[in-house]
Amino acid sequence: ILNVEQSPQSLHVQEGDSTNFTCSFPSSNFYALHWYRWETAKSPEALFVMTLNGDEKKKGRISATLNTKEGYSYLYIKGSQPEDSATYLCAFLGSNFGNEKLTFGTGTRLTIIP
Amino acid sequence: NAGVTQTPKFRILKIGQSMTLQCAQDMNHNYMYWYRQDPGMGLKLIYYSVGAGITDKGEVPNGYNVSRSTTEDFPLRLELAAPSQTSVYFCASSYRGQLTNEKLFFGSGTQLSVL
Repeated sequence: ILNVEQSPQSLHVQEGDSTNFTCSFPSSNFYALHWYRWETAKSPEALFVMTLNGDEKKKGRISATLNTKEGYSYLYIKGSQPEDSATYLCAFLGSNFGNEKLTFGTGTRLTIIP
Repeated sequence: NAGVTQTPKFRILKIGQSMTLQCAQDMNHNYMYWYRQDPGMGLKLIYYSVGAGITDKGEVPNGYNVSRSTTEDFPLRLELAAPSQTSVYFCASSYRGQLTNEKLFFGSGTQLSVL
């Protein structure tokens, strides 16, 4: 059973502040790490798919880094806005050359306080 | 494109009833997936399909059945609903499989309660 953990479970941030949270995953047999944003009553939407150690991806005020050797990824949000309120999911894909499927973390629920 | 469409959005079932959760995508995706999301847990894969006529079990298939008669549709059937099947269900799709690093496209979910 693969262990994918996200911390913290929930987070309240003042509007305008920056924040970050973590996804931890197995450091062996890494293939890819996905980040999704899930707003309440909407479909989860992909933010990033990361594959290379040291990778950094950016989409507007949101960015992510990847460390496959130590098994973690950080998601950063700069200058938080109310529309950033959502649950952020990470998902790990290993490469055991079998029938690999994504293993999802439990998510970090972010609430932006106006 | 509508993307991935799931119906219904909400449903309450009595124990032992059956129902079908509908999922359709209009992106010509080959791969389709059903997940369930339980409180405090990550999304768990129930069943998936790599193309029309081909389905396979995921991590938590017991109590569910699927079919894939067309590329567009991937319904999930609950035959004898049990309280343990109370969950939020998500359908997802991608053009190629997950080992191609393609992102998943999700439906908006079905909140199912079995009482």
